[in-house]
Amino acid sequence: AQTVTQSQPEMSVQEAETVTLSCTYDTSESDYYLFWYKQPPSRQMILVIRQEAYKQQNATENRFSVNFQKAAKSFSLKISDSQLGDAAMYFCAYRSENTGNQFYFGTGTSLTVIP
Amino acid sequence: KAGVTQTPRYLIKTRGQQVTLSCSPISGHRSVSWYQQTPGQGLQFLFEYFSETQRNKGNFPGRFSGRQFSNSRSEMNVSTLELGDSALYLCASSLLLTATYGYTFGSGTRLTVV
Repeated sequence: AQTVTQSQPEMSVQEAETVTLSCTYDTSESDYYLFWYKQPPSRQMILVIRQEAYKQQNATENRFSVNFQKAAKSFSLKISDSQLGDAAMYFCAYRSENTGNQFYFGTGTSLTVIP
Repeated sequence: KAGVTQTPRYLIKTRGQQVTLSCSPISGHRSVSWYQQTPGQGLQFLFEYFSETQRNKGNFPGRFSGRQFSNSRSEMNVSTLELGDSALYLCASSLLLTATYGYTFGSGTRLTVV
C-alpha cells in the first residue's frame, strides 16, 4: 500500500511570514495525484491545493503553492503571508487510478499562526 | 449549493450497541466515501460507494458496513461497538466516478463509545 509521511507533527509561523510543510510518499506508480487538505477546528476537511504527477509545473492557489519533486517523491506546501485563519491541521494525501477513490493520508501537521 | 451533510454531529453509545451514521452528498455527486479519523491511526479509508454499489472497502472488520441509496445518500453502520471505535467519522463525496479533483468532506460525526 502507498504510504504518505509528514515528518513535522507541529509547526508554527509568525503572521505574515512564510512556512513550508513537508510531505513525502512512497509509490511505484508513475501517474497519480497529490493533495493538501486543511482541517480547522470545525473538523471539515478543506481542499487547499492539488497536483497532477504528470505535470512538472508546481500548482499554485493564491498564497498556497507546492514544491513537487517527483523523483524524490516529495510534495511540500508553502504558505506565504500567513494569516490567523491558516491555523489548522494540514494533511497531505495521495491518490492514483489504481487506488480508485481511496486516498492515502499522512498523519498531519498542526500549524499555529502567532500574531 | 449545500455541502456534504453528516448527521448526527455527536453521538455517545455504550459498548456492545450498534450505531448508524448518515451522509448526504453534494447534490449531483454520486460517489461517497467514508473515513475513520483517530489520533493514533489518522485517517483510514472505510469504504466507497457509487450508484448504490460498494466499489472499494478498507481493512476494517465486518462490524463496519455501509450502503448507498438511490438518491446517493449513504449510511454506515457499526455493530457491537467497541471502545476503539471512538473516532471522528468523515464522509466525502465526489462528482466523478474517480475523485480526480479531490473530495468534498462533511464535518463528520464524533462517535464516543463508553
